[in-house]
Amino acid sequence: DTVLTQSPALAVSLGQRVTISCRASKSVSTYMHWYQQKSGQQPKLLIYSASNLESGVPSRFSGSGSGTDFTLTIDPVEADDIANYYCQQSNELPYTFGAGTKLELK
Amino acid sequence: QVKLLQSGAALVKPGASVKMSCKASGYTFTDYWVSWVKQSHGKSLEWIGEIYPNSGATNFNEKFKGKATLTVDKSTSTAYMELSRLTSEDSAIYYCTRDVTTVVPYFDYWGQGVMVTVSS
Repeated sequence: DTVLTQSPALAVSLGQRVTISCRASKSVSTYMHWYQQKSGQQPKLLIYSASNLESGVPSRFSGSGSGTDFTLTIDPVEADDIANYYCQQSNELPYTFGAGTKLELK
Repeated sequence: QVKLLQSGAALVKPGASVKMSCKASGYTFTDYWVSWVKQSHGKSLEWIGEIYPNSGATNFNEKFKGKATLTVDKSTSTAYMELSRLTSEDSAIYYCTRDVTTVVPYFDYWGQGVMVTVSS
């Protein structure tokens, strides 16, 4: 299975730029997607295919990367962005998710 | 608008089975795969498997083969997942998702989740 590794947590200040990383154990091309999950809610798609912004998602979110290294950037961070963020690959079955990065306020 | 409405929380005894539903609306049910995802308490997400309503074709994570059974009722646009021989390890929130597969598969809509608690 393809293992996705994320930093467990990041502390940010409002208005700051933050990058959340995801590293795959093997190349997934650009078959990488990002989800946001707020406490008590279902995950929400933010970015698909590494860099495509899902409809309705604010433009302060962006994604980049290919192969094994990917990043999700939020610029600037707003209070509403405090949540867990998961990367997910669909290059091969089984689809797998990263362990998640918890975005916290400094 | 697209909605996936899942059934309510379930409290089940060890060794029993549970069947949950996911009713789709706002799109053509048979055009999209439906996946199921497990989230154990405070933990990450695990993909269980997927079903294509048009044909009933399925793909599974090997870890969940024999544990999960996926079915659909096209007449009601509803997907089902049954989990068998439940243990405490099966206590979790289970989500259904709509899979976009035009080029690259990803999950664009999620149900609200079903909390399953396995306890005697």
